[in-house]
Amino acid sequence: DAGVIQSPRHEVTEMGQEVTLRCKPISGHDYLFWYRQTMMRGLELLIYFNNNVPIDDSGMPEDRFSAKMPNASFSTLKIQPSEPRDSAVYFCASSKSRGTKGNTIYFGEGSWLTVV
Amino acid sequence: SQKIEQNSEALNIQEGKTATLTCNYTNYSPAYLQWYRQDPGRGPVFLLLIRENEKEKRKERLKVTFDTTLKQSLFHITASQPADSATYLCALDRSNTGKLIFGQGTTLQVKP
Repeated sequence: DAGVIQSPRHEVTEMGQEVTLRCKPISGHDYLFWYRQTMMRGLELLIYFNNNVPIDDSGMPEDRFSAKMPNASFSTLKIQPSEPRDSAVYFCASSKSRGTKGNTIYFGEGSWLTVV
Repeated sequence: SQKIEQNSEALNIQEGKTATLTCNYTNYSPAYLQWYRQDPGRGPVFLLLIRENEKEKRKERLKVTFDTTLKQSLFHITASQPADSATYLCALDRSNTGKLIFGQGTTLQVKP
């Protein structure tokens, strides 16, 4: 399996522009997560989906952020309008329910976003 | 509020020694605790998972302990190698949804 695939790997954009990050989870996984990592705040969960349905978006910083999962093999995280403080590495991750064995999640390589 | 603490200072050890990393948490009753490894410029990679009713878990040179009374997990790497140099993240899962809350990570440097 190719693992979790994210695009773009790197993006530099100007403040005010729309940014769309894309993710293809591992086939057969029923959970999908979006995390953000910064030096100051570490790795933070933004939102997660189960069977394509958003379950918890309490980590989404504000209305400028939105996420969708139209099908089991694709998700997007959109920032509109982008601001310099959104500069971070955005990770997509997926996992498969394993009952009482516990969920282990598989991360993509991240999308490095710089807003100038 | 929920808090997960890992040693913020880097841990430097000599090759062949045992590295021990600490994860403490407060205001939390996790069902599962996990450890991940992250290399620079890469995504975190899963290493080990331990459940609340387990005291210890081993995998090759890795060992994790989980003390729910002390609210602490210890992560050990025996016979450490320079290739073990990385940042190690502790993560808690309360509800087995995979909704993990991560610590800030501890950077380990193993010197030859």
